[in-house]
Amino acid sequence: NAGVTQTPKFQVLKTGQSMTLQCAQDMNHNSMYWYRQDPGMGLRLIYYSASEGTTDKGEVPNGYNVSRLNKREFSLRLESAAPSQTSVYFCASSEDWTGGMNTEAFFGQGTRLTVV
Amino acid sequence: GDSVTQMEGPVTLSEEAFLTINCTYTATGYPSLFWYVQYPGEGLQLLLKATKADDKGSNKGFEATYRKETTSFHLEKGSVQVSDSAVYFCALSGWKDSSYKLIFGSGTRLLVRP
Repeated sequence: NAGVTQTPKFQVLKTGQSMTLQCAQDMNHNSMYWYRQDPGMGLRLIYYSASEGTTDKGEVPNGYNVSRLNKREFSLRLESAAPSQTSVYFCASSEDWTGGMNTEAFFGQGTRLTVV
Repeated sequence: GDSVTQMEGPVTLSEEAFLTINCTYTATGYPSLFWYVQYPGEGLQLLLKATKADDKGSNKGFEATYRKETTSFHLEKGSVQVSDSAVYFCALSGWKDSSYKLIFGSGTRLLVRP
């Protein structure tokens, strides 16, 4: 019953450092997503992968890159971390693209990232 | 683009009180509407959904009705429990930034006191 697994759960970075957030799902879902959650702003989509082999920018892609490594895994990379990237990051997956009318998204437990 | 507006929180209630969390939306076409819940320290999980006008979604005692005439999808529960304390997000499948996406409101924190 793993669902969507994210690592790490917590991370502190210094400004300018890089890191990769890992995400894996075991539900054989086609679509995967990275969101960030900031107080008072809900969830904002950073990048998504509608299907294996494709990635697209979401609402707030600047400062991030992604890789859809295979159907199961979708990573998010911060090349040069900035304090504005302090946030809680959620990976999610769905059977099909969530633009579809009935598609439910399944979320990981989140990564709390602090950039100092 | 499409958007979702939720009432500001936090909402603080006593156990067994009636709950309403307001949600209104702006959308082109006919979106599906969702409520997601986030318990402390966890990711979001789907609470209920409705896919067309006048549909009622329900789960765990929570209900919400898709009202096209008022563009609303308010969440209600007749008698809340301490275990319902969480953050509740209204969302829609809609058009944003030139493609269809799952669009979230800002979330409403609910605190239920014994």
